[in-house]
Amino acid sequence: NAGVTQTPKFRILKIGQSMTLQCTQDMNHNYMYWYRQDPGMGLKLIYYSVGAGITDKGEVPNGYNVSRSTTEDFPLRLELAAPSQTSVYFCASSYPSTGDGYTFGSGTRLTVV
Amino acid sequence: DQQVKQNSPSLSVQEGRISILNCDYTNSMFDYFLWYKKYPAEGPTFLISISSIKDKNEDGRFTVFLNKSAKHLSLHIVPSQPGDSAVYFCAASAQTGANNLFFGTGTRLTVIP
Repeated sequence: NAGVTQTPKFRILKIGQSMTLQCTQDMNHNYMYWYRQDPGMGLKLIYYSVGAGITDKGEVPNGYNVSRSTTEDFPLRLELAAPSQTSVYFCASSYPSTGDGYTFGSGTRLTVV
Repeated sequence: DQQVKQNSPSLSVQEGRISILNCDYTNSMFDYFLWYKKYPAEGPTFLISISSIKDKNEDGRFTVFLNKSAKHLSLHIVPSQPGDSAVYFCAASAQTGANNLFFGTGTRLTVIP
């Protein structure tokens, strides 16, 4: 059981470049999330999805886009990378009602130079 | 605006002793609280949770206490073990299974053998 898989683990981008962070889960969770963690800060929600075809903004959505075409996949797109997007990105998934927390991926460390 | 606060960035404890990690929150609408544990280069993993209808929840060596009037919760680890050395995040939501968990900034626990 792989859980939540994120790729790549590390990436360096130049300002203005674009990239997609991939996230896949095999637990048939309806809910999926993207968080970012800046140094010395807590995790902040970027986007979330409650099911295939449904996405919504979190606290810090600017500069990002998401899509959810299947239950398993929830990619995060950065269109024009900026230094402020240097962070560690975590994808997570959960059932909506069990309340026993999220399952997180191992993270993608992104540096924009 | 940090709605969940962990004011101690680090804590060192001798093996076998009690570790107490603290968390404060400001939003009175929060009714579900969780603790996550994070090792380097891994995603956070769910540890223990508590609903606002309880004031204590226990799971083996881990106990979470909730003081709603003080908007304070704490995680007790007894006895502490070297493998408990990690960063611990407190998180809160306004409803069980909600779309957004608000995370604290984390406390790095070091258990000294």
